[in-house]
Amino acid sequence: GAVVSQHPSRVICKSGTSVKIECRSLDFQATTMFWYRQFPKQSLMLMATSNEGSKATYEQGVEKDKFLINHASLTLSTLTVTSAHPEDSSFYICSASRGTSSTDTQYFGPGTRLTVL
Amino acid sequence: LAKTTQPISMDSYEGQEVNITCSHNNIATNDYITWYQQFPSQGPRFIIQGYKTKVTNEVASLFIPADRKSSTLSLPRVSLSDTAVYYCLVGENTGFQKLVFGTGTRLLVSP
Repeated sequence: GAVVSQHPSRVICKSGTSVKIECRSLDFQATTMFWYRQFPKQSLMLMATSNEGSKATYEQGVEKDKFLINHASLTLSTLTVTSAHPEDSSFYICSASRGTSSTDTQYFGPGTRLTVL
Repeated sequence: LAKTTQPISMDSYEGQEVNITCSHNNIATNDYITWYQQFPSQGPRFIIQGYKTKVTNEVASLFIPADRKSSTLSLPRVSLSDTAVYYCLVGENTGFQKLVFGTGTRLLVSP
């Protein structure tokens, strides 16, 4: 159990276009989902925390109008990179949690490699 | 969230036991210690979590001394496929609280 999927796994787009990435918890309901970004040979950096039915909480320095997050249901969160530029090229990873107890952990998706030309 | 310190990298050979130590001097009473493994171009994978003493599962053991200011992830008889980055995180309610990833430890297992 505790499987998280992401779609697409890889996307290449032109500068100025928007890209949507989906994160799904396949076998559990996720009260909270997180979005991370990871540049080559660096650690994961949290971008935002998403709770179902409410607005996402963004980390300092992350533009909420550029990285739109929608957590429409307990199994789906989406990240839309608007007007993408080459510097947005990165590995985007989501995680999800049942959030039912203090020992719950986060389960990560396989990641989405975004390349902006 | 307590800050963690880990070695940047470690080298080992197949069949050896590998111990990766993480320092977390400011760990709070309600914090748990969680370890994740990440392969290149993949999302992190949960390995083990503990609060005190020793925890063991099918892939690793986690040793936590009484003062809880450090922890050691033990990987028995590593194989080439254990080459990855290992992250130590501490925090309360890590399921629904944001995780702050440190630099992690890059483990290289050689034949």
